[in-house]
Amino acid sequence: DTEVTQTPKHLVMGMTNKKSLKCEQHMGHRAMYWYKQKAKKPPELMFVYSYEKLSINESVPSRFSPECPNSSLLNLHLHALQPEDSALYLCASSQTDRTYEQYFGPGTRLTVT
Amino acid sequence: SQQGEEDPQALSIQEGENATMNCSYKTSINNLQWYRQNSGRGLVHLILIRSNEREKHSGRLRVTLDTSKKSSSLLITASRAADTASYFCATARYSSASKIIFGSGTRLSIRP
Repeated sequence: DTEVTQTPKHLVMGMTNKKSLKCEQHMGHRAMYWYKQKAKKPPELMFVYSYEKLSINESVPSRFSPECPNSSLLNLHLHALQPEDSALYLCASSQTDRTYEQYFGPGTRLTVT
Repeated sequence: SQQGEEDPQALSIQEGENATMNCSYKTSINNLQWYRQNSGRGLVHLILIRSNEREKHSGRLRVTLDTSKKSSSLLITASRAADTASYFCATARYSSASKIIFGSGTRLSIRP
């Protein structure tokens, strides 16, 4: 299984809502990533988890809260988002954080109203 | 900040023609990768070239790397409609394998 899955595919939320994005992989990868991508822009790294521990936080606002409950799952909890947070959120994984090739999920299209 | 800049930003060619995209970067790297992204979807890893390699092939893809000029090119030969996508170069430094930084991307359209 070489697939990274993400749910939901689309999410519309108000600025006062709390929601979560989910990501799952069953490739035995020990590094997982969250990226944010605005339209016609490249993905921007948000967080890196290595062996279920947060290893990189790219100065992301606290309204985004990542969680890695186990080696296969990665969550991104959202609270009090702003309209400018609307974007495609991509999850990725790699064998370890020393492996360069990353496998991406299809993304969650988030709209904040 | 973005490590890589790509040109052209957009490229439209006839099916069957070759497509060439270029990537320039600013600092020393361990390797350079190319990814493809179909509209609104996830990225797919295409090829990785290490800093001590000059050229690499994979099927219809040919990648070159010139570390003295800090640049790379991706050539897709005999293009097909299914090659329509955005293509991103991505660089990684020796010190941080997990922190790959994507270039600005080239949007490739293949006309039937």
